Amino acid sequence: DQQVKQNSPSLSVQEGRISILNCDYTNSMFDYFLWYKKYPAEGPTFLISISSIKDKNEDGRFTVFLNKSAKHLSLHIVPSQPGDSAVYFCAASANFGNEKLTFGTGTRLTIIP
Amino acid sequence: ETGVTQSPTHLIKTRGQQVTLRCSSQSGHNTVSWYQQALGQGPQFIFQYYREEENGRGNFPPRFSGLQFPNYSSELNVNALELDDSALYLCASSRRDSSKNIQYFGAGTRLSVL
Repeated sequence: DQQVKQNSPSLSVQEGRISILNCDYTNSMFDYFLWYKKYPAEGPTFLISISSIKDKNEDGRFTVFLNKSAKHLSLHIVPSQPGDSAVYFCAASANFGNEKLTFGTGTRLTIIP
Repeated sequence: ETGVTQSPTHLIKTRGQQVTLRCSSQSGHNTVSWYQQALGQGPQFIFQYYREEENGRGNFPPRFSGLQFPNYSSELNVNALELDDSALYLCASSRRDSSKNIQYFGAGTRLSVL
């Protein structure tokens, strides 16, 4: 039972354009969502989070949108840079992050120079 | 740099052996969570420790056990290793009871079981 799904295993985007990564969830108890970025041979690096009381959160080039009725969130990266090439994981938690993280399977983003 | 350190970075064991992985949490954090990441998958939750007590466990057998110490560092022990235990083991530390509870990960321990 995969409660967090990232349906696109890979995505290629031209440098300077917008990258949009998508994530769907099924568990209504989730109220806190996070995006992590992972390079090979490193642990996941926290990027940005959003609580279920918001529908948008911005941090520099990164914006996360949450659509609770659709149980869908997306990460927008603008403008995309070569250093953004990595695997991106969506994660969800209950109790505002105090519970375990449930991860999606990841999307490999490649930025084309 | 998250301030979460894991040791060792790589480990090779044979089936049936036992292994101990170690994690030092970030300063000021009181919670440690362990995850297993198989190739091509997202990390899977093993268990979490808060103030030296287990605080939630994922779908892993009892041969996976852990400890948290008074300085909030932690160990993951796996007994009777199986081939399927080969994976990247990730430790994450966080501060429970904060308004923004974010888990910060170490670089992981790559375990190979032959």
